[in-house]
Amino acid sequence: DADVTQTPRNRITKTGKRIMLECSQTKGHDRMYWYRQDPGLGLRLIYYSFDVKDINKGEISDGYSVSRQAQAKFSLSLESAIPNQTALYFCATRPSDRDTQYFGPGTRLTVL
Amino acid sequence: ELKVEQNPLFLSMQEGKNYTIYCNYSTTSDRLYWYRQDPGKSLESLFVLLSNGAVKQEGRLMASLDTKARLSTLHITAAVHDLSATYFCAVEGSNAGKSTFGDGTTLTVKP
Repeated sequence: DADVTQTPRNRITKTGKRIMLECSQTKGHDRMYWYRQDPGLGLRLIYYSFDVKDINKGEISDGYSVSRQAQAKFSLSLESAIPNQTALYFCATRPSDRDTQYFGPGTRLTVL
Repeated sequence: ELKVEQNPLFLSMQEGKNYTIYCNYSTTSDRLYWYRQDPGKSLESLFVLLSNGAVKQEGRLMASLDTKARLSTLHITAAVHDLSATYFCAVEGSNAGKSTFGDGTTLTVKP
């Protein structure tokens, strides 16, 4: 079984809808991250969490919110989706600073 | 604000040739990571470089870090088709706990 899972893997929705993307990990890592990737660009950080009670905004948090329900679960919500939020979304985990990140398979979101 | 610049952004090379991808960054850091992404796939970790002069090698890939020059290189030796992918560097500011990614270098290795 995969260590970092994301659901759904693909989602098509309409402008104005509320969407939740979920990330679960079995690696036992405290640190979790949400990124978005647009074609031809690198990853941009949306939110990150160092533990259940420590959640921080990344460089592009506007229009997004997150919830860290447990050490293993970190959800990303789009309260009112808009077309320019169409992108590939990745969740990642890492055990501590100075460690690499482990990425989930990604969620492809299309907002019409 | 930490900025990370990779070049080239696109690289087409023939099998058997050598080439280097460069990753420059704007502020002091001794934490640099390289990742690989295959088309339509997720990112997988290649190298972790955590000190000035660090060098890591895996197969035909070798990564190095020069913190004084704020530069990391990913050197490809005798390229093969299986190395075709997009390569990202990511830099972490000291005590930041988060990385800034470059825009990626898309490598295509042709027979």
